[in-house]
Amino acid sequence: DTGVSQDPRHKITKRGQNVTFRCDPISEHNRLYWYRQTLGQGPEFLTYFQNEAQLEKSRLLSDRFSAERPKGSFSTLEIQRTEQGDSAMYLCASTQGAHYGYTFGSGTRLTVV
Amino acid sequence: DAKTTQPNSMESNEEEPVHLPCNHSTISGTDYIHWYRQLPSQGPEYVIHGLTSNVNNRMASLAIAEDRKSSTLILHRATLRDAAVYYCTHTLNYGGSQGNLIFGKGTKLSVKP
Repeated sequence: DTGVSQDPRHKITKRGQNVTFRCDPISEHNRLYWYRQTLGQGPEFLTYFQNEAQLEKSRLLSDRFSAERPKGSFSTLEIQRTEQGDSAMYLCASTQGAHYGYTFGSGTRLTVV
Repeated sequence: DAKTTQPNSMESNEEEPVHLPCNHSTISGTDYIHWYRQLPSQGPEYVIHGLTSNVNNRMASLAIAEDRKSSTLILHRATLRDAAVYYCTHTLNYGGSQGNLIFGKGTKLSVKP
C-alpha cells in the first residue's frame, strides 16, 4: 500500500467554478477525514466518514461543499461556486480508528483567482 | 471549544535532545493524544500517540502528565531532518464526533547544525 493518495496536487480555478478533489485512503482503513489548512494555521476538520456513511460535518462546511464516499472506498470533496476564501490546502486522512495513528495524504492545494 | 496550546517556535542544536511541550486542558478521559509533524507543502506525518502511559517508538517518546492536561514530545537526538512544524492534537470523542483530531497552530522546530 502506498499510503493516502490525493488528486490533484494543485488546482487553480476561477471564482465561481466548481472543483472536485479525490482521496484514496489506505484500503483497510474504514475512517476517512477531510481537513482544510490555510497558511500558518493547523488543519481544521471538515467532515468524517465511517465506511460509506458521512457521520459528521463541521460548521465550516457550507452548503457549497459536499463530500461522498461511495462503497466506503475513495472519497470526493466538491466545492461549488468557488470563492477566493476557499483557497487553502485540502487534506485527507484515514485511520482504522481513534486508537490508531492517522495517515494523511499530501493534500490538494486550491487557488481561486 | 477544544484546543491545544504550544509554543510558536523552538530551536535546537543537532544531536541534542528536544522537548516539545503541549497543553491540552480540555481533553476528556477517552481522548487520545497524538503528535504529527509537517514539512512545507506536505501533509502531516504521524509521529506518536498515547492515552495515559508514556509511549516510545522509533521516532520519539511521548510523556503524558498524570492529569493528562499536558504532554511532551521528546526527540532524543535532533537531526536536520527533524526541522518541521510539530502539532500536538487530541481526538475528540463525544456524541457523533468520533475521533476528529483537533489541531492548534503547532510549534515550528528549527535545528541548527
